Amino acid sequence: NAGVTQTPKFQVLKTGQSMTLQCAQDMNHEYMSWYRQDPGMGLRLIHYSVGAGITDQGEVPNGYNVSRSTTEDFPLRLLSAAPSQTSVYFCASSYSGANTEAFFGQGTRLTVV
Amino acid sequence: AQSVAQPEDQVNVAEGNPLTVKCTYSVSGNPYLFWYVQYPNRGLQFLLKYITGDNLVKGSYGFEAEFNKSQTSFHLKKPSALVSDSALYFCAVSKAGNMLTFGGGTRLMVKP
Repeated sequence: NAGVTQTPKFQVLKTGQSMTLQCAQDMNHEYMSWYRQDPGMGLRLIHYSVGAGITDQGEVPNGYNVSRSTTEDFPLRLLSAAPSQTSVYFCASSYSGANTEAFFGQGTRLTVV
Repeated sequence: AQSVAQPEDQVNVAEGNPLTVKCTYSVSGNPYLFWYVQYPNRGLQFLLKYITGDNLVKGSYGFEAEFNKSQTSFHLKKPSALVSDSALYFCAVSKAGNMLTFGGGTRLMVKP
């Protein structure tokens, strides 16, 4: 069982570069989301999707873009990387909405220099 | 707006002793409450949830949590801690139509 798969696991970017963090799930979950984890701040929601073709902003969406063309995939794009985007990024999926548990990927550790 | 507070950055407990990790929340309406655990260099893993019904919920690895509506709390407990329980624990809240909001996390250290 693959669950939620994130790639890459580690990435170093220079300020101003762009990149895409990949996320794929094989559980046929409708809900997918991206969080960033920073020390002492828990996980903060960046963007989320409630189904293919539908996306919405979370708590900290600035500097990030998402799309959901298939149920399985939910890539996160950094448009022009900044040092403030240095963080650990987690993708999650869940079967339905607020009352079901989320399954998390293993994370992508991103450093912007 | 919904929010979660985990007042302790770290909890230290001796192996075999009971443990409690505290969580309080703020949300309008009926909350859905969750506990997740994170081991080093791993994603979060679901432990347990409260949706409705019995205030005491039981989860994985012997953990349980008690929902207290009047105190807006959802503390995580275990009767006898193991060294292998050492990890980072997150409380989270949501409600119908919303996504999860996480607390800042509590590091649990269980010493032999």
